[in-house]
Amino acid sequence: QVKLLQSGAALVKPGASVKMSCKASGYTFTDYWVSWVKQSHGKSLEWIGEIYPNSGATNFNEKFKGKATLTVDKSTSTAYMELSRLTSEDSAIYYCTRANYGGYWMDAWGQGASVTVSS
Amino acid sequence: DIQMTQSPPVLSASVGDRVTLSCKASQNINKNLDWYQQKHGEAPKLLIYYTNNLQTGIPSRFSGSGSGTDYTLTISSLQPEDVATYYCYQYNSGPTFGAGTKLELK
Repeated sequence: QVKLLQSGAALVKPGASVKMSCKASGYTFTDYWVSWVKQSHGKSLEWIGEIYPNSGATNFNEKFKGKATLTVDKSTSTAYMELSRLTSEDSAIYYCTRANYGGYWMDAWGQGASVTVSS
Repeated sequence: DIQMTQSPPVLSASVGDRVTLSCKASQNINKNLDWYQQKHGEAPKLLIYYTNNLQTGIPSRFSGSGSGTDYTLTISSLQPEDVATYYCYQYNSGPTFGAGTKLELK
């Protein structure tokens, strides 16, 4: 079945960067977009952006432009998100999802990766 | 940005009740709306896509409707396992989620 396995929790210092992974299995990785979603503690969800593994094309929520970088490794069916210049506002759980273009139909989700920004 | 307003924020209902959750967009979103269920400590799960299409594997007691700016998720007969937070999500323009409705058992 479709699975998205995310990397583990990270504790990072303010101003640093963090890169997390999302390994897909159970489907053809290059046939679907991968969207990323942020959930701050106890709060709602925010769509960060998406990447199409087949071409590397990306689209971002304006709020996350310059904050998030999305890449893929087709050889390992793995998507990556790097967050830069971290502040306490970036402390959250981040999910990767299988989706269609534009963040539509996010039908499979990773288990979430917790990022804590603290000195 | 398109704002999504969900109501009520918290809903208490009894097993077997018919439950209706509302979601209002700040502008017409052309039915480009999904509903997600998030149980405590879990990732969200897709329930309904494009307003009224039931995702594979989701029980038929869940249904969606709406158009323009107003959308509804209905649970025809509430079950204990339906306790969760429900989010509407529009992808018509600059995808955004609602703040969620927390569904509790009375």
